[in-house]
Amino acid sequence: NAGVMQNPRHLVRRRGQEARLRCSPMKGHSHVYWYRQLPEEGLKFMVYLQKENIIDESGMPKERFSAEFPKEGPSILRIQQVVRGDSAAYFCASSPELGGEQFFGPGTRLTVL
Amino acid sequence: KNEVEQSPQNLTAQEGEFITINCSYSVGISALHWLQQHPGGGIVSLFMLSSGKKKHGRLIATINIQEKHSSLHITASHPRDSAVYICAVIRGQGAQKLVFGQGTRLTINP
Repeated sequence: NAGVMQNPRHLVRRRGQEARLRCSPMKGHSHVYWYRQLPEEGLKFMVYLQKENIIDESGMPKERFSAEFPKEGPSILRIQQVVRGDSAAYFCASSPELGGEQFFGPGTRLTVL
Repeated sequence: KNEVEQSPQNLTAQEGEFITINCSYSVGISALHWLQQHPGGGIVSLFMLSSGKKKHGRLIATINIQEKHSSLHITASHPRDSAVYICAVIRGQGAQKLVFGQGTRLTINP
Protein backbone atom coordinates (compact mmCIF):
# COMPACT_ATOMS: atom_id res chain seq x y z
CA ASN A 1 0.00 0.00 0.00
CA ALA A 2 1.79 3.09 -1.22
CA GLY A 3 1.85 6.08 1.08
CA VAL A 4 0.55 9.55 0.34
CA MET A 5 2.10 10.79 -2.91
CA GLN A 6 2.77 14.40 -3.74
CA ASN A 7 4.17 15.89 -6.89
CA PRO A 8 6.12 17.69 -7.84
CA ARG A 9 8.54 17.50 -4.92
CA HIS A 10 10.10 20.80 -5.89
CA LEU A 11 8.47 23.55 -7.91
CA VAL A 12 9.99 26.84 -9.00
CA ARG A 13 7.76 29.61 -10.30
CA ARG A 14 8.26 33.24 -11.20
CA ARG A 15 6.04 35.87 -9.67
CA GLY A 16 2.68 35.99 -11.41
CA GLN A 17 2.72 32.39 -12.61
CA GLU A 18 0.40 29.63 -11.46
CA ALA A 19 1.42 26.73 -9.22
CA ARG A 20 -0.41 23.40 -9.21
CA LEU A 21 0.37 20.94 -6.43
CA ARG A 22 -0.98 17.40 -6.59
CA CYS A 23 -1.72 14.94 -3.81
CA SER A 24 -2.75 11.31 -4.17
CA PRO A 25 -4.04 9.95 -0.84
CA MET A 26 -3.37 6.48 0.44
CA LYS A 27 -5.58 3.78 -1.04
CA GLY A 28 -8.92 3.72 0.70
CA HIS A 29 -8.52 7.21 2.17
CA SER A 30 -11.21 9.70 1.24
CA HIS A 31 -10.21 12.54 3.58
CA VAL A 32 -7.48 14.92 2.40
CA TYR A 33 -5.87 17.85 4.22
CA TRP A 34 -3.47 20.49 2.99
CA TYR A 35 -1.01 22.19 5.35
CA ARG A 36 1.57 24.88 4.73
CA GLN A 37 4.93 25.36 6.42
CA LEU A 38 6.47 28.77 5.83
CA PRO A 39 10.25 29.07 6.21
CA GLU A 40 11.27 28.83 9.87
CA GLU A 41 7.63 28.55 10.95
CA GLY A 42 5.33 25.80 12.12
CA LEU A 43 2.74 23.93 10.13
CA LYS A 44 -0.63 25.59 9.54
CA PHE A 45 -3.88 24.07 8.34
CA MET A 46 -5.17 25.25 4.98
CA VAL A 47 -8.08 23.11 3.78
CA TYR A 48 -9.88 19.82 4.39
CA LEU A 49 -11.62 17.97 1.56
CA GLN A 50 -13.56 14.81 1.03
CA LYS A 51 -14.26 13.43 -2.41
CA GLU A 52 -15.74 16.28 -4.51
CA ASN A 53 -16.42 18.42 -1.43
CA ILE A 54 -14.57 21.15 0.44
CA ILE A 55 -15.42 20.62 4.10
CA ASP A 56 -13.29 23.27 5.82
CA GLU A 57 -11.28 25.96 4.04
CA SER A 58 -10.86 28.24 7.03
CA GLY A 59 -7.06 28.25 6.65
CA MET A 60 -6.97 29.18 2.98
CA PRO A 61 -6.04 32.71 1.96
CA LYS A 62 -9.12 34.41 0.56
CA GLU A 63 -7.60 35.17 -2.82
CA ARG A 64 -5.50 33.24 -5.36
CA PHE A 65 -5.73 29.88 -3.55
CA SER A 66 -8.15 27.09 -4.40
CA ALA A 67 -8.35 23.36 -3.80
CA GLU A 68 -10.28 20.46 -5.24
CA PHE A 69 -10.57 16.72 -4.79
CA PRO A 70 -12.38 15.33 -7.81
CA LYS A 71 -14.16 12.00 -7.98
CA GLU A 72 -11.30 10.63 -10.06
CA GLY A 73 -7.68 11.66 -9.69
CA PRO A 74 -5.59 13.47 -7.14
CA SER A 75 -6.40 16.45 -4.98
CA ILE A 76 -5.08 19.70 -6.44
CA LEU A 77 -3.97 22.82 -4.58
CA ARG A 78 -3.83 25.70 -7.03
CA ILE A 79 -2.12 29.01 -6.40
CA GLN A 80 -2.70 31.70 -8.99
CA GLN A 81 -0.42 34.70 -9.57
CA VAL A 82 2.16 33.49 -7.08
CA VAL A 83 4.10 35.97 -4.96
CA ARG A 84 7.36 35.52 -3.06
CA GLY A 85 5.45 35.06 0.19
CA ASP A 86 3.92 31.87 -1.18
CA SER A 87 7.34 30.18 -1.02
CA ALA A 88 6.86 27.36 1.46
CA ALA A 89 6.57 23.62 1.89
CA TYR A 90 3.05 22.37 1.20
CA PHE A 91 2.11 19.08 2.81
CA CYS A 92 -0.84 16.90 2.08
CA ALA A 93 -2.19 14.32 4.53
CA SER A 94 -4.91 11.71 4.23
CA SER A 95 -6.98 9.66 6.63
CA PRO A 96 -9.43 6.80 6.14
CA GLU A 97 -12.16 8.13 8.40
CA LEU A 98 -13.49 11.16 10.24
CA GLY A 99 -11.08 11.95 13.07
CA GLY A 100 -8.70 9.19 12.01
CA GLU A 101 -4.93 9.22 12.07
CA GLN A 102 -3.48 11.42 9.36
CA PHE A 103 -0.63 10.20 7.16
CA PHE A 104 1.56 12.79 5.51
CA GLY A 105 3.03 13.01 2.04
CA PRO A 106 6.63 14.10 1.41
CA GLY A 107 5.60 17.66 0.64
CA THR A 108 6.07 20.03 -2.29
CA ARG A 109 8.63 22.76 -1.83
CA LEU A 110 7.52 25.83 -3.76
CA THR A 111 10.03 28.54 -4.52
CA VAL A 112 8.82 31.77 -6.08
CA LEU A 113 11.53 33.82 -7.76
CA LYS B 1 -0.61 32.43 23.43
CA ASN B 2 -0.54 29.39 21.14
CA GLU B 3 -3.16 26.73 21.70
CA VAL B 4 -0.40 24.08 21.62
CA GLU B 5 2.87 24.71 23.42
CA GLN B 6 5.90 22.45 23.34
CA SER B 7 8.97 22.39 25.54
CA PRO B 8 11.82 22.53 25.18
CA GLN B 9 12.17 24.26 21.81
CA ASN B 10 15.66 22.84 21.36
CA LEU B 11 17.23 19.84 23.03
CA THR B 12 20.75 18.47 22.64
CA ALA B 13 21.73 15.20 24.32
CA GLN B 14 24.32 12.46 24.16
CA GLU B 15 23.66 9.11 22.56
CA GLY B 16 21.98 6.75 24.98
CA GLU B 17 20.23 9.39 27.07
CA PHE B 18 16.53 9.22 27.95
CA ILE B 19 14.67 12.03 26.17
CA THR B 20 11.40 13.71 27.18
CA ILE B 21 9.52 16.26 25.07
CA ASN B 22 6.44 17.91 26.54
CA CYS B 23 3.26 19.24 24.97
CA SER B 24 0.56 21.29 26.67
CA TYR B 25 -2.68 22.43 25.04
CA SER B 26 -5.37 24.82 26.13
CA VAL B 27 -8.42 23.55 24.23
CA GLY B 28 -10.62 20.47 24.39
CA ILE B 29 -9.35 17.83 22.02
CA SER B 30 -10.48 14.54 20.57
CA ALA B 31 -6.98 13.26 19.81
CA LEU B 32 -3.32 14.22 19.82
CA HIS B 33 -0.63 13.37 17.27
CA TRP B 34 3.11 13.18 17.66
CA LEU B 35 4.92 13.75 14.37
CA GLN B 36 8.57 13.54 13.38
CA GLN B 37 10.08 15.81 10.73
CA HIS B 38 13.55 14.90 9.50
CA PRO B 39 16.10 17.35 8.10
CA GLY B 40 15.00 16.39 4.59
CA GLY B 41 11.59 17.77 5.49
CA GLY B 42 9.34 14.70 5.33
CA ILE B 43 6.80 14.20 8.12
CA VAL B 44 6.12 10.85 9.74
CA SER B 45 3.23 10.16 12.08
CA LEU B 46 4.57 8.51 15.22
CA PHE B 47 1.47 8.23 17.39
CA MET B 48 -2.13 9.24 17.58
CA LEU B 49 -3.61 8.93 21.06
CA SER B 50 -6.63 10.11 22.97
CA SER B 51 -5.93 8.52 26.36
CA GLY B 52 -3.31 6.61 28.30
CA LYS B 53 -0.07 5.49 26.78
CA LYS B 54 1.30 4.01 23.56
CA LYS B 55 4.66 2.40 22.87
CA HIS B 56 6.45 1.68 19.62
CA GLY B 57 10.00 0.42 19.84
CA ARG B 58 12.03 2.97 21.79
CA LEU B 59 9.29 5.59 21.63
CA ILE B 60 6.62 6.06 24.27
CA ALA B 61 3.80 8.62 24.23
CA THR B 62 1.54 9.45 27.14
CA ILE B 63 -1.39 11.78 27.51
CA ASN B 64 -3.24 13.17 30.53
CA ILE B 65 -6.57 14.54 29.35
CA GLN B 66 -7.43 16.19 32.68
CA GLU B 67 -4.14 18.08 32.78
CA LYS B 68 -4.16 18.77 29.01
CA HIS B 69 -0.63 17.46 28.71
CA SER B 70 1.24 14.88 26.66
CA SER B 71 4.83 13.66 26.69
CA LEU B 72 6.97 11.88 24.12
CA HIS B 73 9.82 9.79 25.50
CA ILE B 74 12.73 8.26 23.63
CA THR B 75 14.73 5.58 25.40
CA ALA B 76 18.35 4.78 24.49
CA SER B 77 18.50 7.74 22.12
CA HIS B 78 20.54 7.49 18.92
CA PRO B 79 21.88 10.09 16.48
CA ARG B 80 19.31 8.93 13.92
CA ASP B 81 16.61 10.19 16.32
CA SER B 82 17.78 13.73 15.55
CA ALA B 83 14.77 15.50 14.05
CA VAL B 84 12.04 18.00 14.84
CA TYR B 85 9.24 16.49 16.91
CA ILE B 86 5.84 18.10 16.54
CA CYS B 87 2.79 17.80 18.74
CA ALA B 88 -0.56 18.40 17.02
CA VAL B 89 -4.12 18.22 18.33
CA ILE B 90 -7.53 17.69 16.79
CA ARG B 91 -9.86 20.08 18.52
CA GLY B 92 -13.21 18.82 19.77
CA GLN B 93 -15.50 16.16 18.44
CA GLY B 94 -16.11 16.04 14.72
CA ALA B 95 -13.26 18.42 14.00
CA GLN B 96 -10.63 17.36 11.52
CA LYS B 97 -7.86 19.88 11.17
CA LEU B 98 -4.67 19.57 13.15
CA VAL B 99 -3.43 22.46 15.27
CA PHE B 100 0.34 22.25 15.62
CA GLY B 101 2.88 23.10 18.25
CA GLN B 102 6.00 24.93 17.16
CA GLY B 103 8.12 21.78 17.31
CA THR B 104 11.08 20.62 19.36
CA ARG B 105 14.42 20.33 17.57
CA LEU B 106 16.26 17.31 18.98
CA THR B 107 19.95 16.70 18.34
CA ILE B 108 21.58 13.51 19.59
CA ASN B 109 25.37 13.58 19.54
CA PRO B 110 27.38 10.38 19.22
